[in-house]
Amino acid sequence: DAGVIQSPRHEVTEMGQEVTLRCKPISGHDYLFWYRQTMMRGLELLIYFNNNVPIDDSGMPEDRFSAKMPNASFSTLKIQPSEPRDSAVYFCASSAYPQGRAVNTIYFGEGSWLTVV
Amino acid sequence: DQQVKQNSPSLSVQEGRISILNCDYTNSMFDYFLWYKKYPAEGPTFLISISSIKDKNEDGRFTVFLNKSAKHLSLHIVPSQPGDSAVYFCAASAKLGGTSYGKLTFGQGTILTVHP
Repeated sequence: DAGVIQSPRHEVTEMGQEVTLRCKPISGHDYLFWYRQTMMRGLELLIYFNNNVPIDDSGMPEDRFSAKMPNASFSTLKIQPSEPRDSAVYFCASSAYPQGRAVNTIYFGEGSWLTVV
Repeated sequence: DQQVKQNSPSLSVQEGRISILNCDYTNSMFDYFLWYKKYPAEGPTFLISISSIKDKNEDGRFTVFLNKSAKHLSLHIVPSQPGDSAVYFCAASAKLGGTSYGKLTFGQGTILTVHP
């Protein structure tokens, strides 16, 4: 079974440009997460969805960031306009409702490396 | 506010010796803890977990210890192997209203290097 698929793997863009990151979760998973990894803060949760509905977006840095999940197999994270401080690795992850277990095991994609110059 | 903290950015260990990675948390609502391992250019992968009703969980060379009173957990790797060299993230989860809560809060990560 395919894992979480992210695109693009690498993106270099100029400050002020719009950036769109894409994610296809594991089939059957009903949770989808967007994380950002930086050296200073490690893995930060930006937003997560349950059954395509945004549940918690308190980690989204500011209005320049937006995320959508139009259906169970696709999500986007958009940054407009992008700034150099947005440079980071952005991970998408998905999980299934634990069904009696204590907590979900989250499966990560390989990440999208964003550089804003 | 960093609710999960890994205060050691890096750790270097000789092959065959024990690696001990530490993690502290501040949120008393956390009741499930996980360790993830990350190789360069890959996403983090699940390694081992522990519920707050336990103080130890073991899986092969990996053991996680939980000290709830100190809000501290640690991951022991014995014996350490060069292939264990990676970034290790500690993560925590809190139940909400008696049901499982999908959100994981991660620490900053610790880079483990195991020398042959």
